[in-house]
Amino acid sequence: NAGVTQTPKFQVLKTGQSMTLQCAQDMNHNSMYWYRQDPGMGLRLIYYSASEGTTDKGEVPNGYNVSRLNKREFSLRLESAAPSQTSVYFCASSEYNTEAFFGQGTRLTVV
Amino acid sequence: SQKIEQNSEALNIQEGKTATLTCNYTNYSPAYLQWYRQDPGRGPVFLLLIRENEKEKRKERLKVTFDTTLKQSLFHITASQPADSATYLCALDSPYNAGNNRKLIWGLGTSLAVNP
Repeated sequence: NAGVTQTPKFQVLKTGQSMTLQCAQDMNHNSMYWYRQDPGMGLRLIYYSASEGTTDKGEVPNGYNVSRLNKREFSLRLESAAPSQTSVYFCASSEYNTEAFFGQGTRLTVV
Repeated sequence: SQKIEQNSEALNIQEGKTATLTCNYTNYSPAYLQWYRQDPGRGPVFLLLIRENEKEKRKERLKVTFDTTLKQSLFHITASQPADSATYLCALDSPYNAGNNRKLIWGLGTSLAVNP
């Protein structure tokens, strides 16, 4: 059982480049989330999707867009990467009000 | 807004002892509180969930307590082992923008080192 799968695991971008982080879950969860984790800041919610077809902004949405492609997949797009977006990104999924399952993370560096 | 405070300093204990980690919150009492373990370079892994009407929850060597009067949860690992060394995060549900789905607010985590 794969759980939550994120790709890629590592990425280096130049300022201004764009990229999409992919996430898929095989647990039939309704809710999916994108977080970033920075030293001293903890996990901060970027966007979430409570169910297929809906997305909402989290705490730090600026500079990001998301797509809930279907129940399984939730992608995060950086249209024009900035050094401030250097971080570790985690995708997670859960059923309503229960524990969250996380992917292995994407370590993104923007130079 | 809700703030979560976990032991900011790393906790070092001897193998076999009980580790106790603290999670304090400042505002409303959440409907539930969760504890996760995170190893370096990995995503958080769920350990335990405790609801507001539960005072204590156990799972093997792990025990969580929830005191809504003190606005505090304690996380205990008994008979600790070096393999328990990791960062432990607490997370509280947030009712804001909820509907059926309550988002989590995360503490910064406490680093635990169990020495052989």
